[in-house]
Amino acid sequence: QKEVEQDPGPLSVPEGAIVSLNCTYSNSAFQYFMWYRQYSRKGPELLMYTYSSGNKEDGRFTAQVDKSSKYISLFIRDSQPSDSATYLCAMGTDSWGKLQFGAGTQVVVTP
Amino acid sequence: SAVISQKPSRDICQRGTSLTIQCQVDSQVTMMFWYRQQPGQSLTLIATANQGSEATYESGFVIDKFPISRPNLTFSTLTVSNMSPEDSSIYLCSVDSPRSNIQYFGAGTRLSVL
Repeated sequence: QKEVEQDPGPLSVPEGAIVSLNCTYSNSAFQYFMWYRQYSRKGPELLMYTYSSGNKEDGRFTAQVDKSSKYISLFIRDSQPSDSATYLCAMGTDSWGKLQFGAGTQVVVTP
Repeated sequence: SAVISQKPSRDICQRGTSLTIQCQVDSQVTMMFWYRQQPGQSLTLIATANQGSEATYESGFVIDKFPISRPNLTFSTLTVSNMSPEDSSIYLCSVDSPRSNIQYFGAGTRLSVL
């Protein structure tokens, strides 16, 4: 079993819809939770960062962490074609450095 | 966040040759990381590079195949040695944030081995 599980998609939604992405994990030591967006032929770009449990909102993006269920989510409201990308979840422990990445979910927002 | 420049952005190489990838950061960072991203897959950590010490390699990756240099706090190189078609991948450099283990990535090097 992988430490981080993420559905690779593709996930296709119409413009304006809510995109819902999630990851599950097995390591209860994870404390840092991140979502990265990766456009084709580009490096991953940090979108959201959450420490421990709770919700965080930034514009159209909301990140949720449920440590009791070992489950994290990213919601994108009012999706745009420019949101079409691969979204990667990543997690780290309190120790410095190493992150575990999910497989990435490809999202396609159609006009 | 740091600005990370990675060179080359892409290359096509012959089997048996070596390629050195450079990663330059616009500020001093403690840790630099090298990842491999194979087509349609997620990121796999190759090694962690601290300035002034040997790189720490992950299981399945060895120094003879992926030698790394870290001569100062803003620069690192990864060499892919004696390449085979199985080494065709995207190689990514990342750096850590000073106050957390958030990582910031370069644009990557797209390598094709014939």
